[in-house]
Amino acid sequence: AQSVSQHNHHVILSEAASLELGCNYSYGGTVNLFWYVQYPGQHLQLLLKYFSGDPLVKGIKGFEAEFIKSKFSFNLRKPSVQWSDTAEYFCAVNAGSGNTGKLIFGQGTTLQVKP
Amino acid sequence: GAGVSQSPSNKVTEKGKDVELRCDPISGHTALYWYRQSLGQGLEFLIYFQGNSAPDKSGLPSDRFSAERTGGSVSTLTIQRTQQEDSAVYLCASSRRTPPGGTQYFGPGTRLLVL
Repeated sequence: AQSVSQHNHHVILSEAASLELGCNYSYGGTVNLFWYVQYPGQHLQLLLKYFSGDPLVKGIKGFEAEFIKSKFSFNLRKPSVQWSDTAEYFCAVNAGSGNTGKLIFGQGTTLQVKP
Repeated sequence: GAGVSQSPSNKVTEKGKDVELRCDPISGHTALYWYRQSLGQGLEFLIYFQGNSAPDKSGLPSDRFSAERTGGSVSTLTIQRTQQEDSAVYLCASSRRTPPGGTQYFGPGTRLLVL
């Protein structure tokens, strides 16, 4: 069965620190990859997505992620975090052709940025 | 434009009662998904609708759960004989089409508490 693993459950950073959140998935075929963010009291929002092409994708608010097929990874990065980045981050995978589009989510990573 | 809307935003019910949760997808989106977000299980896929195709019910946890989508738009998730373990946030998402290209947009969720 497909699964998604986020290695960091709770990350605490100071403002201006660099961020990298790990995401690994288990599926050997074509995948579509997503990072969603949930700010306190708000609903899930799409940060960025990868379907095909350039494996380095850029999203909103200065976030980027790199798809490394050989490592089954899709890590999220931001060079300099802000207090407003405090949120929960979810990596999600959708298996390729012939599927219904359902997302398999990781357990989420809570990011706390200290001002 | 308007996003995905869900109602009610909160629902408290007694064990054994039936509940209905409603989702209004984004206009023009043909794909609709239900997910559940709970402390112990994270974000789990429940069911998927796409146009007039048979729904993918593979994520429904028991036969107490059912969902329908009328007229290709509004969807209702019904939980019969609710149990305490059904307490969770139920999320609805819609997309213009399934991936590739079909990004899912999430609603604010319905927080269900079963006493």
